[in-house]
Amino acid sequence: SYVLTQSPSVSVAPGETARISCNGNNIGSKSVHWYQQKPGQAPVLVVYDDNVRPSGIPERLSGSNYGDTATLIISRVEAGDEADYFCQVWDTTGDCMLFGGGTKLTVL
Amino acid sequence: QVQVVQSGAEVKTPGSSVQVSCKISGDTFNTYAISWVRQVPGQGLEWMGGIIPVYGVTNYAQKFQDRVTIIADKSTRTANMKLSGLKSEDTAMYFCAHGEINGYDYTWCPYWGQGTMVTVSS
Repeated sequence: SYVLTQSPSVSVAPGETARISCNGNNIGSKSVHWYQQKPGQAPVLVVYDDNVRPSGIPERLSGSNYGDTATLIISRVEAGDEADYFCQVWDTTGDCMLFGGGTKLTVL
Repeated sequence: QVQVVQSGAEVKTPGSSVQVSCKISGDTFNTYAISWVRQVPGQGLEWMGGIIPVYGVTNYAQKFQDRVTIIADKSTRTANMKLSGLKSEDTAMYFCAHGEINGYDYTWCPYWGQGTMVTVSS
């Protein structure tokens, strides 16, 4: 079955750029969606269809998807960006929704 | 603006069943998918299954397909998830998510409920 792999953690200093990766076999052929989750809260959609931001999401967040890696890019990182981030796809072979294991972003 | 409101916390004993409900307001109920996603404390998100009310079609993750039933009531704009044969490992937060579809395929989920904590303990 299809598997999405994320690094468990990423650490960046305020003002720098964070790159959170999501790896899957030929993931570039799929649409990837990203969620931010803060402790005790429901997930929030921050990027969909690889690189589209929902209304209200800052332009600092963007996405890319090519080959075997999709990436969520957070520019000019702020303390408020500290959260868990999950990638998600729809697996058309298994007719199921898949999430990556999540990446904890720590702002130093 | 779509709003998703879930039922309250539940405490269940091993072997019993739990039903969690989710009421949708603010937008078209039928032409979207409702997914159920659970999160064991300290762990990641896990899709259990979902339903597209306009088609009446359900999809279940293989891990749960023998124990989970998802239904939708278009008249009350409510979706329900029933999980049977509960074990202590089912102790988790259960989320209802309202999402876009592309034909019969689920896509992204812009709207989430607040979560329902289910505790399984003897």
